[in-house]
Amino acid sequence: QKEVEQNSGPLSVPEGAIASLNCTYSDRGSQSFFWYRQYSGKSPELIMFIYSNGDKEDGRFTAQLNKASQYVSLLIRDSQPSDSATYLCAVGLDRGSTLGRLYFGRGTQLTVWP
Amino acid sequence: NAGVTQTPKFQVLKTGQSMTLQCAQDMNHNSMYWYRQDPGMGLRLIYYSASEGTTDKGEVPNGYNVSRLNKREFSLRLESAAPSQTSVYFCASSDLTGSNQPQHFGDGTRLSIL
Repeated sequence: QKEVEQNSGPLSVPEGAIASLNCTYSDRGSQSFFWYRQYSGKSPELIMFIYSNGDKEDGRFTAQLNKASQYVSLLIRDSQPSDSATYLCAVGLDRGSTLGRLYFGRGTQLTVWP
Repeated sequence: NAGVTQTPKFQVLKTGQSMTLQCAQDMNHNSMYWYRQDPGMGLRLIYYSASEGTTDKGEVPNGYNVSRLNKREFSLRLESAAPSQTSVYFCASSDLTGSNQPQHFGDGTRLSIL
C-alpha cells in the first residue's frame, strides 16, 4: 500500500504570513515529489517538484524534502488571498508496475484571509 | 497552447447508458492517465497508458475501459453507467515514461449519473 498523507485542514493564515503544508509518504523507494494547487472547480496545476533532499525555492514557494523522515513540505511566503486553494502532494516511484504512476494525497485546503 | 483537452466538459447520463470521455494532448507526451476525483477521496487512478499501444489498470478500473488511439489520444469508456460513477474525471499526460516527470492535467469532465 503506497500511502501519501496530508492534513486535510482547513489551514487558515492571515495575508502576508507563511503557510506551511506537510505531506508524509509510506514507500521509502519514492523518488519524485510534486505539489499541485487546485482551485475550487478547477483542475490540478503543478507548482513545484523536488527530487533531492533539501530545499528548492521558486519565487514565494519553497519545497522541502527529507527522505530519511519520508516527509515533504511546501512553504508559501507572503501568503496572498489568491493562494487560497487545495494543495495536493503527489509522490512517484520508478520501479515495476508503478512506473510512471503518481500517488496523490487527499489535499490540504488553505485559506488566506485579508 | 491547448495542452490537455477533454471533451465533454459536462455530461448527465441515466443509469445503464454508455458514453466515452475523450482526451487529447498536443505536447507529444508518451504517457497518459485517467483519474476520478470525489469529495474527500482525492485523485484516484483509473487507467493509464505508459506509451502508445499499452494500457494498465490503476486503483479503480472496474466499470471502465480505455483505448490509446494514438500518441495524442486516450479515451475512457463507461459501458453501463452507474450512480457510483458520478464524479469529476481528469485526464493527464507526462513527457517520458517514468515517475520523475510531472503530470499535466486537462480541465476535467463533470459527469452525473442519475
